[in-house]
Amino acid sequence: QSALTQPRSVSGSPGQSVTISCTGTSSDVGDYNYVSWYQQHPGKAPNLMIHDVNKRPSGVPDRFSGSKSGNTASLTISGLQAEDEADYYCCSYAGSPWVFGGGTKLTVL
Amino acid sequence: EVQLVESGGGLVQPGGSLRLSCAASGFTISSHYMTWVRQAPGTGLEWVSVIYSGGSTYHADSVKGRFIISRDNSKNTLYLQLSSLRAEDTAVYYCARGYTGSSSLYFDYWGQGTLVTVSS
Repeated sequence: QSALTQPRSVSGSPGQSVTISCTGTSSDVGDYNYVSWYQQHPGKAPNLMIHDVNKRPSGVPDRFSGSKSGNTASLTISGLQAEDEADYYCCSYAGSPWVFGGGTKLTVL
Repeated sequence: EVQLVESGGGLVQPGGSLRLSCAASGFTISSHYMTWVRQAPGTGLEWVSVIYSGGSTYHADSVKGRFIISRDNSKNTLYLQLSSLRAEDTAVYYCARGYTGSSSLYFDYWGQGTLVTVSS
């Protein structure tokens, strides 16, 4: 049950796009299309942004998109806005257990 | 409206025990899988335990044999029994609801968390 690997930080200017990677193994990300992404602002609970690799819940802006290739999933945020500054976590089903990534801090410059 | 409200956190000595509760409203917990996720201070999310609608349970290796997830359907409440607590169990503990749908697995609603501090 090793954590998924995410970059510790990414940054971008307003209006730009950023991509956060999430690398797992053939036992989790590579084996299941059940990757989800959560946004967490300081002191708040996580909030679902993407589920099942590339599906967006209602209410989440279409600036957020997800994808997967092999053992690596990605979250892309286009048209960066100040309110996007937060921590982002990927999560993959791994056959019960589940596994999270270490988190990526997004800074909007 | 779906709501999850955790309680039961606090300060406990190493080796001690605690029971966390997660009161659910707006849905029936027995119809969903429910999970606990924790976050140690300044660190990332760590999956802890899950209970499926059929009652089967799974725990992370880091807590196996020490934590037990359960639910009381009559109270629509999820529990996490923590025992043999260690300093490294210090964290905010979140409960979350698992989405129930075909070909979908994710956590769609989260509580606000309850802080457990293990210290002498």
